[in-house]
Amino acid sequence: QVQLVQSGAEVRKPGASVKVSCKTSGYTFKSYDINWVRQATGQGLEWMGWMNPNGGNTGYAQKFQGRVTMTRDTSTSTAYMELSSLRPEDTAVYYCARVGYDSVWFDDFWGQGTLVTVSS
Amino acid sequence: DIQMTQSPSSLSASVGDRVTITCRASQNIGRYLNWYQQKPGKAPKVLIYATSTLQTGVPSRFSGSGSGTDFTLTISSLQPEDFATYSCQQTYTSLYTFGPGTRVDI
Repeated sequence: QVQLVQSGAEVRKPGASVKVSCKTSGYTFKSYDINWVRQATGQGLEWMGWMNPNGGNTGYAQKFQGRVTMTRDTSTSTAYMELSSLRPEDTAVYYCARVGYDSVWFDDFWGQGTLVTVSS
Repeated sequence: DIQMTQSPSSLSASVGDRVTITCRASQNIGRYLNWYQQKPGKAPKVLIYATSTLQTGVPSRFSGSGSGTDFTLTISSLQPEDFATYSCQQTYTSLYTFGPGTRVDI
């Protein structure tokens, strides 16, 4: 069965960086893009960007350009999202999701989420 | 980026009610519109993709319609397990965006 298992909660100080992992199993890692989505407490879902595990290509929302880096390790079928220059408003649950396709793209399987807290 | 709006932002309903949620895109997105359901403390789950296709296992009381810029999610007879937040998402461009969500509670 398809599974995406994310790394545990993180606490960072403002200005630091955080790297969240998303280990996948149950499917061919290189065949599906990975999206990263975040959600601040009580707020809506915010799409951050995508990564193609086959070639490593990425696309980022303008809001995160210059601060986010999405990478992968194909040997372990793991995707990573690193966010730098953290500020308190980056406190949120971060999700990875597999991008499925059936006439349109959609997020068909999700990780359990990783809480990142930014506080001095 | 394409902006997505939803209305209402929240609604109160009873079991058995028919519920309709609207999603609007800032430009034409064809039928590249998906709906997700999210319960507190849980990851979102896709309900409908490509405007009207039910994901495997989703009950038939859920339906979607629309095209272009205006879309609708309908729950024909609300069940206790349907109290959740519903979000639309466009995947027309490679820079996806979500709507702000609609909370459905009792």
